[in-house]
Amino acid sequence: QLQLQESGPGLVKPSETLSLTCSVSGGSISSSDYYWAWVRQPPGKGLEWIANFFYSGSTFYNPSLKSRVTISVDTSKNQFSLKLISVTAADTAVYYCARQGGSSWVNGWFDPWGQGTLVTVSS
Amino acid sequence: EIVMTQSPATLSVSPGERATLSCRASQSVSSDLAWYQQKPGQAPRLLIYGASTRATGIPARFSGSGSGTEFTLTISSLQSEDFAVYYCQQYNNWMYTFGQGTKLEIK
Repeated sequence: QLQLQESGPGLVKPSETLSLTCSVSGGSISSSDYYWAWVRQPPGKGLEWIANFFYSGSTFYNPSLKSRVTISVDTSKNQFSLKLISVTAADTAVYYCARQGGSSWVNGWFDPWGQGTLVTVSS
Repeated sequence: EIVMTQSPATLSVSPGERATLSCRASQSVSSDLAWYQQKPGQAPRLLIYGASTRATGIPARFSGSGSGTEFTLTISSLQSEDFAVYYCQQYNNWMYTFGQGTKLEIK
């Protein structure tokens, strides 16, 4: 059974860099079968797609975050990571990693999801 | 950006009754629409994709319909575990967007 687990600091200072890792078990991120993604949710608010990637290197970023976001992949550890620079309080959210429905961006539904990790931006 | 608008924001329904949740897209998304259920402190769970295809393990009381710009999630007979927040999401455009959610509460 596929499982995803987010990890990283729960507190980041304003203007610094948020770094999170998603560890995947029960499946390979270098499989040609699926896209993988990051989604976030500010406390008490709705969901926002951040970015996704395919093992071949195809990557899509939300235009509202594109200038600050990078996804990287470590296939040897079966992990992928999110880096968000120059954070502000508006970046405070629960961050989720997820697998998409297939091998194209048009398979854009998310299933399953990790449990999520809360990142607070505060001095 | 395709804007997804859900209505109502809050829906009060009694257990055993039917619940109907709506989602509207600002432009056509064909059938590229998913529905999720989220309970407090939990990650969202995929219910429906392709506007009407139930995800693995989702009970038959959940059904989705619609295409283009108007979509509906129907829960035929509400169980206690169904009271949660529901989100729709479009993936017709590579910039995926979600609705703001409908909270389904016990009447």
